[in-house]
Amino acid sequence: GIQVEQSPPDLILQEGANSTLRCNFSDSVNNLQWFHQNPWGQLINLFYIPSGTKQNGRLSATTVATERYSLLYISSSQTTDSGVYFCAVENAGGTSYGKLTFGQGTILTVHP
Amino acid sequence: EAGVTQFPSHSVIEKGQTVTLRCDPISGHDNLYWYRRVMGKEIKFLLHFVKESKQDESGMPNNRFLAERTGGTYSTLKVQPAELEDSGVYFCASSKNPRIAGGTDTQYFGPGTRLTVL
Repeated sequence: GIQVEQSPPDLILQEGANSTLRCNFSDSVNNLQWFHQNPWGQLINLFYIPSGTKQNGRLSATTVATERYSLLYISSSQTTDSGVYFCAVENAGGTSYGKLTFGQGTILTVHP
Repeated sequence: EAGVTQFPSHSVIEKGQTVTLRCDPISGHDNLYWYRRVMGKEIKFLLHFVKESKQDESGMPNNRFLAERTGGTYSTLKVQPAELEDSGVYFCASSKNPRIAGGTDTQYFGPGTRLTVL
């Protein structure tokens, strides 16, 4: 099946710093989503981005499908950005649609 | 519009007991998915319903797990009998049917049910 690797596994920042999280995947995708898991365990949908670039406030994401990677940018980080960031993809070559394969996540800690 | 809801939020049971988890998807979403995260590992797919039919149940670990979606609305996931390795967080997600105009593949996740088997 498709492999999803996220880097870095851990990231520690001071408030106000910028960061880039990366997601590499091993096959073509129909769907790519970025999630933020907050300290209460909820998975918050950040972006649906199988290709192209999107921005939402201080967050933006870019997926280069032909090169099989996606980047999540966080600018002017805040303590509330802390948590785990997951990338999840749906393999375009899969036998059924909808099944998301998750990366292992990036644990982000933002200190005041 | 209400999001995906799950019940209960936490469940603690003894090994060998039965537990039933419930998921209510976003209204109008034909697709319903179950995922779980155990032992700090990756979030793994369990199964996918389209309305009341099982589209893909390739991720179900064994026959102790039974998922239903009668009437194509809410879904239940029953674990019987529960084992220690079943402990983890069970997530439910829903999405519109992408084959209908205006539908997308975006999956919206519920808050999860944390299951602890002692």
